[in-house]
Amino acid sequence: KQEVTQIPAALSVPEGENLVLNCSFTDSAIYNLQWFRQDPGKGLTSLLLIQSSQREQTSGRLNASLDKSSGRSTLYIAASQPGDSATYLCAVSYTGTASKLTFGTGTRLQVTL
Amino acid sequence: NAGVTQTPKFRILKIGQSMTLQCTQDMNHNYMYWYRQDPGMGLKLIYYSVGAGITDKGEVPNGYNVSRSTTEDFPLRLELAAPSQTSVYFCASSYRTEGNTIYFGEGSWLTVV
Repeated sequence: KQEVTQIPAALSVPEGENLVLNCSFTDSAIYNLQWFRQDPGKGLTSLLLIQSSQREQTSGRLNASLDKSSGRSTLYIAASQPGDSATYLCAVSYTGTASKLTFGTGTRLQVTL
Repeated sequence: NAGVTQTPKFRILKIGQSMTLQCTQDMNHNYMYWYRQDPGMGLKLIYYSVGAGITDKGEVPNGYNVSRSTTEDFPLRLELAAPSQTSVYFCASSYRTEGNTIYFGEGSWLTVV
């Protein structure tokens, strides 16, 4: 059974810090990996999608990397802002399991003033 | 710019009652999904559909039913509600799986008492 783990479960950093969120998965035969943001009481918003053939994707202050061989992905947030406070979830899809995303439990990030 | 719309936002059900969660999308996506999210947990797939008239079970389908008579709508029916179905339910859609961004609704909070 594929498992996706995110550590830490919660993180608090002062504004302006660069930070890294971690995601690990047990089965390296992934098709793609996505990072989502979830604000309290809201749905999920897709931030970055990395195909299995890619090593990283960037959007603004966000950079996601993928290392299939080690079963890991990281989400790097540069110059964090209070508006980045949210829960970040990663999810993987596997070849042959169309439409089925396996989610991690998320990292709750708080950026303080 | 509606995207994925879910109703109702909040609902309290008594044990044994039935109800339908409505979901509609206006992006002409052929793939639609229902997930549930329990507190502190990741999302788990209940049912999904790859097009009108086609549905399939996800990881946790027991106690639920779905139908897909149109491209736009994908209702989720809860039969004989149980306290274990207390959760937040998210509907989502994508143009095609395994490579396209998935869009989520804002969620439906369901409490079974």
